[in-house]
Amino acid sequence: KNQVEQSPQSLIILEGKNCTLQCNYTVSPFSNLRWYKQDTGRGPVSLTIMTFSENTKSNGRYTATLDADTKQSSLHITASQLSDSASYICVVSRMDSSYKLIFGSGTRLLVRP
Amino acid sequence: GAGVSQSPSNKVTEKGKDVELRCDPISGHTALYWYRQSLGQGLEFLIYFQGNSAPDKSGLPSDRFSAERTGGSVSTLTIQRTQQEDSAVYLCASSPSVKRGVPYEQYFGPGTRLTVT
Repeated sequence: KNQVEQSPQSLIILEGKNCTLQCNYTVSPFSNLRWYKQDTGRGPVSLTIMTFSENTKSNGRYTATLDADTKQSSLHITASQLSDSASYICVVSRMDSSYKLIFGSGTRLLVRP
Repeated sequence: GAGVSQSPSNKVTEKGKDVELRCDPISGHTALYWYRQSLGQGLEFLIYFQGNSAPDKSGLPSDRFSAERTGGSVSTLTIQRTQQEDSAVYLCASSPSVKRGVPYEQYFGPGTRLTVT
């Protein structure tokens, strides 16, 4: 069973609109949760990293939330731009092997003009 | 300030041939990681280096896969007797160090797309 589940698998929104991507995980013992953006043909780029004690973190128009009790996270994108079109990947790591990233399958976002 | 670089960017090989994929990490980064991204799948961990040693090779799918790192810098991932299921994008990442419980940023290269025909 995949330890990191993301939804939706894909999403299409109009430029300027907001959207929220979801991530549920079962990884334990939990160390940290990251959101990455991956453009087609490129390596993933980190957006946010949150540890157990953090429940929200922002990076420009990106805001991530974390509920470590329910093992859920979300990534909210405000005022979307065409350049936001990419895959967004939720990544979790364990306390005893924090270097080993466990990836979700990603949400593919398409922003249309 | 160069980032992580990988070569080649694309590699097409015949089934049964050996291939070598190269990763140049960010200068000064002591930790290096290899991941694989198969079509429609999430990235999966292959191996982690701290300096020249590999404390965790648990993600290597079979004994056809091996990796080494020399001089605490460049790493090579070698796949022997390639099979069609080895077709994937192989990504390398590096980070300044690894410390238990500390979420160091991992910086990814652009990947090598391997196609086995």
